[in-house]
Amino acid sequence: DADVTQTPRNRITKTGKRIMLECSQTKGHDRMYWYRQDPGLGLRLIYYSFDVKDINKGEISDGYSVSRQAQAKFSLSLESAIPNQTALYFCATSDFDRGGIDTQYFGPGTRLTVL
Amino acid sequence: DQQVKQNSPSLSVQEGRISILNCDYTNSMFDYFLWYKKYPAEGPTFLISISSIKDKNEDGRFTVFLNKSAKHLSLHIVPSQPGDSAVYFCAASRTGNQFYFGTGTSLTVIP
Repeated sequence: DADVTQTPRNRITKTGKRIMLECSQTKGHDRMYWYRQDPGLGLRLIYYSFDVKDINKGEISDGYSVSRQAQAKFSLSLESAIPNQTALYFCATSDFDRGGIDTQYFGPGTRLTVL
Repeated sequence: DQQVKQNSPSLSVQEGRISILNCDYTNSMFDYFLWYKKYPAEGPTFLISISSIKDKNEDGRFTVFLNKSAKHLSLHIVPSQPGDSAVYFCAASRTGNQFYFGTGTSLTVIP
């Protein structure tokens, strides 16, 4: 079984609809992240959470919100989807240790299309 | 403003030869760097990392070099294999903080 799972894997929706993307992990990591990938722009951070009570905005948080329901679950919401939010979305986890090692493990991605 | 840059969107290399992927960063506070590999329809997977206290880290066919004065790192793959064909992302962070990713380089290894 995959350590980081994302649902749905593909979603087509219409402008103005509310969408939720979900991420679950079995790695026991405290840190979770949401990224989006666009052609030519690489991976950009939307939101991140270093523990259940911690939520931080990333580079491109406008138009998005998140919820950290438990250590293992981190969901991303688009309150009112717009076409330029069409992208590939990745969830990631990491387990920072004081030795400075902080490797991120990614889910398989959700392809979202907003018409 | 892009803090981590990969200026070559694509690279083609013959099988058996060396692949060199480059990455530049602007923030001198970054002290931890990673390379990720991504196949189509999959999430990125961790490949190799280096901290700023080192200038080289090697893992099998993969070596990462860090030049702090130039704010430049590179990934060497020797010898290159067709299975190495993928998109490679470099990432940088200040220890314990968020990561910044480059735009990726698509490597094609020609058999």
